[in-house]
Amino acid sequence: NAGVTQTPKFQVLKTGQSMTLQCAQDMNHEYMSWYRQDPGMGLRLIHYSVGAGITDQGEVPNGYNVSRSTTEDFPLRLLSAAPSQTSVYFCASSYGTGKSEAFFGQGTRLTVV
Amino acid sequence: RKEVEQDPGPFNVPEGATVAFNCTYSNSASQSFFWYRQDCRKEPKLLMSVYSSGNEDGRFTAQLNRASQYISLLIRDSKLSDSATYLCVVRGTTSGTYKYIFGTGTRLKVLA
Repeated sequence: NAGVTQTPKFQVLKTGQSMTLQCAQDMNHEYMSWYRQDPGMGLRLIHYSVGAGITDQGEVPNGYNVSRSTTEDFPLRLLSAAPSQTSVYFCASSYGTGKSEAFFGQGTRLTVV
Repeated sequence: RKEVEQDPGPFNVPEGATVAFNCTYSNSASQSFFWYRQDCRKEPKLLMSVYSSGNEDGRFTAQLNRASQYISLLIRDSKLSDSATYLCVVRGTTSGTYKYIFGTGTRLKVLA
């Protein structure tokens, strides 16, 4: 029962480096999303997808790219890391209909130095 | 104004106490409502969905008031293990897509 799997759990990057956070789900969920969580700010939506081949921007998309080539995978790319991107990142998935709960991955703790 | 607002707390209560959290939301077209629990440095996990008629799960009771646009969570007989942050979550449509909007969370500390 894997659910939502995120990798890596921890990462330290230097300013300007790029990297990809991986997210995979095995529940055949249509809806997948990425959030960042900062102290006092709650969870903020970065990008989301309602199905393979369809992505859209959330509240804080700048500096991040996503793609959804399969139903299962939704990677988040940091193009050129900045200290302001130091945060905890969560991937979540759910069915597309309104009453479905969201399931979260275990999170990635990213530090940009 | 934030779309989902919660009192950040912390609420410090003794074991066995009853504690209530409220949450207000601004989008009257919101369709689904949830309470999530988040332990320090962990992922949020569903505590309970909130239904229009109100619902109960053991020591936890959730209520929804659509007219006033608020959701509540009542915890009875608090346990030390209830210490966590409780997130109010609202799901509604924007241009046909159902997005989750999270409150910033209410911290609860249950004291021995």
